[in-house]
Amino acid sequence: DIQMTQSPASLSASLGETVTIQCRASEDIYSGLAWYQQKPGKSPQLLIYGASSLQDGVPSRFSGSGSGTQYSLKISSMQTEDEGVYFCQQGLKYPFTFGSGTKLEIK
Amino acid sequence: VQLVESGGGLVQPGKSLKLSCSASGFTFSSYGMHWIRQAPGKGLDWVAYISSSSGTVYADAVKGRFTISRDNAKNTLYLQLNSLKSEDTAIYYCARRHYSGLDYWGQGVMVTVSS
Repeated sequence: DIQMTQSPASLSASLGETVTIQCRASEDIYSGLAWYQQKPGKSPQLLIYGASSLQDGVPSRFSGSGSGTQYSLKISSMQTEDEGVYFCQQGLKYPFTFGSGTKLEIK
Repeated sequence: VQLVESGGGLVQPGKSLKLSCSASGFTFSSYGMHWIRQAPGKGLDWVAYISSSSGTVYADAVKGRFTISRDNAKNTLYLQLNSLKSEDTAIYYCARRHYSGLDYWGQGVMVTVSS
């Protein structure tokens, strides 16, 4: 199985700050990576797919980049509504696997 | 697009349960569908996938115990859970495949396995 290692486990950011979350795959996943945001008591919401494609309706302050085994999610200007837990997920091979999550809070 | 799960509940170890996911707002038969679960306070755990042509894939932890199926005439996805274990306790989500990701998720249904 492809292992997804996500970092950091948690972070706090000020309003307007740029935030970056990292995800490393145990093998090359050829940009088959998605990012999700999950808020308490809610189901996950797709933010990015194909490593860098912004899902419809997602604010443009979210962006994804990377290739091979290293990927990142960037929030260019932290907003209050961006608090939540963020997960990466590889969709190249079954079983699909998720990172352990990054809890993002407002400082 | 709307996905609505049902069928969860409290069940004893070794027993069975069948989850349903009712889909609307899109051409259900054209999409692959997933089940994902999340144990309380934990991360996301992929469970199973069924393609638009009904090919299936399972996580090792559920292979031989769970069965994913679909009824395109009813726009409904199913997950049959047999031989349940305490470690199967989780919120179960259905989700629609979108390239390498999952673009629409249901609200989730809780399955609790306990005596």
